[in-house]
Amino acid sequence: AQKVTQAQTEISVVEKEDVTLDCVYETRDTTYYLFWYKQPPSGELVFLIRRNSFDEQNEISGRYSWNFQKSTSSFNFTITASQVVDSAVYFCALSEANSNYQLIWGAGTKLIIKP
Amino acid sequence: KAGVTQTPRYLIKTRGQQVTLSCSPISGHRSVSWYQQTPGQGLQFLFEYFSETQRNKGNFPGRFSGRQFSNSRSEMNVSTLELGDSALYLCASCLGGTGPYEQYFGPGTRLTVT
Repeated sequence: AQKVTQAQTEISVVEKEDVTLDCVYETRDTTYYLFWYKQPPSGELVFLIRRNSFDEQNEISGRYSWNFQKSTSSFNFTITASQVVDSAVYFCALSEANSNYQLIWGAGTKLIIKP
Repeated sequence: KAGVTQTPRYLIKTRGQQVTLSCSPISGHRSVSWYQQTPGQGLQFLFEYFSETQRNKGNFPGRFSGRQFSNSRSEMNVSTLELGDSALYLCASCLGGTGPYEQYFGPGTRLTVT
């Protein structure tokens, strides 16, 4: 069973539009962590955020914001006023204490920002 | 600080051959993880090394092996290459210890098996 689901394979928006990338996870652990990484065309994955299961506060970093809801097992990522440089593949990942914190990855969402 | 470096960046091998990929972590990082990325299977964890010991292992056949040296540099080896081994191999380093540390990734090695 897939533990991290990113149902959106590809999203295409015009620059300056807001866009939300969905991530739904599945775990029985009470202690777990959720991550978002960005993979630009160069291939190198870049860490964006880590959130633990005990902290449901939303987080904002510039144009990026994350909405963590344990009730729906979701950890969604919103980019406000998107820019062409945001074009990349975005991965959501789960890390469970009972699995030695090994990262379990979603399939990724390819985001295309058109000028 | 220099980032994670991986060599070579591109590699073309023939079925049945073996290959060794190298990864140099960020200075001070003691954990190195390896991932395979393919269009069909996505990102899959291969193994993690910490202080020269394999700490975690993914679900890959024994043809995939790795090691870590005392300076934390790591190598992974794939023997008897198959066409399905064509992939981007990513290495990531982190401080280590026990916990969900953020990982820093290298640019990857693109392996093509013909």
